[in-house]
Amino acid sequence: DSGVTQTPKHLITATGQRVTLRCSPRSGDLSVYWYQQSLDQGLQFLIQYYNGEERAKGNILERFSAQQFPDLHSELNLSSLELGDSALYFCASNAASTDTQYFGPGTRLTVL
Amino acid sequence: ILNVEQSPQSLHVQEGDSTNFTCSFPSSNFYALHWYRWETAKSPEALFVMTLNGDEKKKGRISATLNTKEGYSYLYIKGSQPEDSATYLCAFDRDDKIIFGKGTRLHILP
Repeated sequence: DSGVTQTPKHLITATGQRVTLRCSPRSGDLSVYWYQQSLDQGLQFLIQYYNGEERAKGNILERFSAQQFPDLHSELNLSSLELGDSALYFCASNAASTDTQYFGPGTRLTVL
Repeated sequence: ILNVEQSPQSLHVQEGDSTNFTCSFPSSNFYALHWYRWETAKSPEALFVMTLNGDEKKKGRISATLNTKEGYSYLYIKGSQPEDSATYLCAFDRDDKIIFGKGTRLHILP
């Protein structure tokens, strides 16, 4: 158990819908990273937040957005969902003093 | 285009043998190189974060080296055990972006 929690574990929805994935970092960690793991693309970095502010942006689509709240939990919002958005979404956190990232268990999103 | 290459893609190793594999990454704008171990149906687990050219890190039977000037890192496993079967991922971190390789899938044969 890494100490990073993600909810829900599984999510099944239809095309065109909007979903929110939630991540709670390890206690004391200020950074949260979001990743997407799809079959054909491998693990892709989406976005990083540090203490509530966006710090780095990867291959995140415009239909996707994220935020980090004052209590440091983060949410990834995926809208106008397409079949190709079906994937495993991970979040990870790390402390300011180390670059080691601890991954959560992931949310498996299925878009039908 | 930033590319991170890992080789080989897949590897079968006899239990007890030692092995190694490679991660190649861009040599510019380097911040850190991450190695992860990823077992099926689990989350990636951090093995090493390497930041300095010439870095060598060790955790039990697993070690890694880093050459930032030429853009490569090696991961070594000594005396492979069945529990080493996993996918080993490297990730190039240039501080504003993290790019993962596709991983080396390691199978340990009894």
